[in-house]
Amino acid sequence: EAGVTQFPSHSVIEKGQTVTLRCDPISGHDNLYWYRRVMGKEIKFLLHFVKESKQDESGMPNNRFLAERTGGTYSTLKVQPAELEDSGVYFCASSHGTSVYPTDTQYFGPGTRLTVL
Amino acid sequence: SQKIEQNSEALNIQEGKTATLTCNYTNYSPAYLQWYRQDPGRGPVFLLLIRENEKEKRKERLKVTFDTTLKQSLFHITASQPADSATYLCALSGGYNKLIFGAGTRLAVHP
Repeated sequence: EAGVTQFPSHSVIEKGQTVTLRCDPISGHDNLYWYRRVMGKEIKFLLHFVKESKQDESGMPNNRFLAERTGGTYSTLKVQPAELEDSGVYFCASSHGTSVYPTDTQYFGPGTRLTVL
Repeated sequence: SQKIEQNSEALNIQEGKTATLTCNYTNYSPAYLQWYRQDPGRGPVFLLLIRENEKEKRKERLKVTFDTTLKQSLFHITASQPADSATYLCALSGGYNKLIFGAGTRLAVHP
């Protein structure tokens, strides 16, 4: 079984540019999560999809971040325009559980390292 | 606000000894507590999950305890090996939703 994949692995962009990160969850996992780790800090939650719907987007920093999951399969996270403080590693995770039968194990991808210059 | 504390300093131990890592939390009543391993340049890898009504969980050389009164979890690696060297993350959750992570503890096992 393929794990969670993320693309690209690294991205270096100038301040003010746009970047789109992609995540492919494990097949059959309805839950998809985005997290971020900025330098020296802990991994922090950004948002949670259940299928194509946003279940919780309380961690999104501001409206420069837009996440989509059309069709309930892969997800994209767009940052527009990027700022210096957006630099960090963006992780995607997926899980199988539901609110009725919670299976809380989240499987993480390798992350995308974003550097904004 | 919710806070999770893990030993910020690296833990150095000799091969064959037991490593014990600590996770303390405040202002939260998690339904689940999880431990993940993270190697440099990689994403966190799930190790163990323990529920609020469980006191202890084991998996091979790993053991996790969960004390909801003390608001503390201990993570043990017995007969440690150099390959166990990594950063270990504690994470809490209330269900199938978001994980709240600690900053992690770096473990170094020396031959």
